[in-house]
Amino acid sequence: DGGITQSPKYLFRKEGQNVTLSCEQNLNHDAMYWYRQDPGQGLRLIYYSQIVNDFQKGDIAEGYSVSREKKESFPLTVTSAQKNPTAFYLCASSIDRWSGTYKNIQYFGAGTRLSVL
Amino acid sequence: GNSVTQMEGPVTLSEEAFLTINCTYTATGYPSLFWYVQYPGEGLQLLLKATKADDKGSNKGFEATYRKETTSFHLEKGSVQVSDSAVYFCALKGDTGFQKLVFGTGTRLLVSP
Repeated sequence: DGGITQSPKYLFRKEGQNVTLSCEQNLNHDAMYWYRQDPGQGLRLIYYSQIVNDFQKGDIAEGYSVSREKKESFPLTVTSAQKNPTAFYLCASSIDRWSGTYKNIQYFGAGTRLSVL
Repeated sequence: GNSVTQMEGPVTLSEEAFLTINCTYTATGYPSLFWYVQYPGEGLQLLLKATKADDKGSNKGFEATYRKETTSFHLEKGSVQVSDSAVYFCALKGDTGFQKLVFGTGTRLLVSP
């Protein structure tokens, strides 16, 4: 079955530690996204990538980093500079980078819940 | 910039009651509009969408009509079930260039037997 796989489901970070969240998709989608979800705040865009080897900052990129070396993969690193990392992180993908068409529906993974020890 | 406003929850209903979750938006041009649903501990699933004015999206008994004159996209269902308990997000995407998906804050629906 095609879909988006996020791992791990739960992750714990120690003080001063960098952690990496995995996101893999087998939908052959060009664009991928990372969102952060906090209670009562909806989803906020961290980074997005429209094509391999290219990515842009979203609304809350500080303290995070990404890479896009393969079409299928878009890992997110939460660095020690992110002082409040506890949240639910969602990865999404869409078929292509052009907006305004029905084809640009975003599909989501099941999420990773990150907590601080 | 583009924005979405949803009614605050939780919305608490008995099974078979009628559901309305209000959503209004601010955007230029002709954005596409979406409702996503999130079940406990899971990611978001697309529930329905509408891409132009007066379009009605529908799925699993849920409906929403794209009303440009009132900039609204209210979600409705005639008879809710316990299994509909979830958080519902209204979202929009602009129609020019690469536009991010803008989400409302979500509305939690609790349906009791």
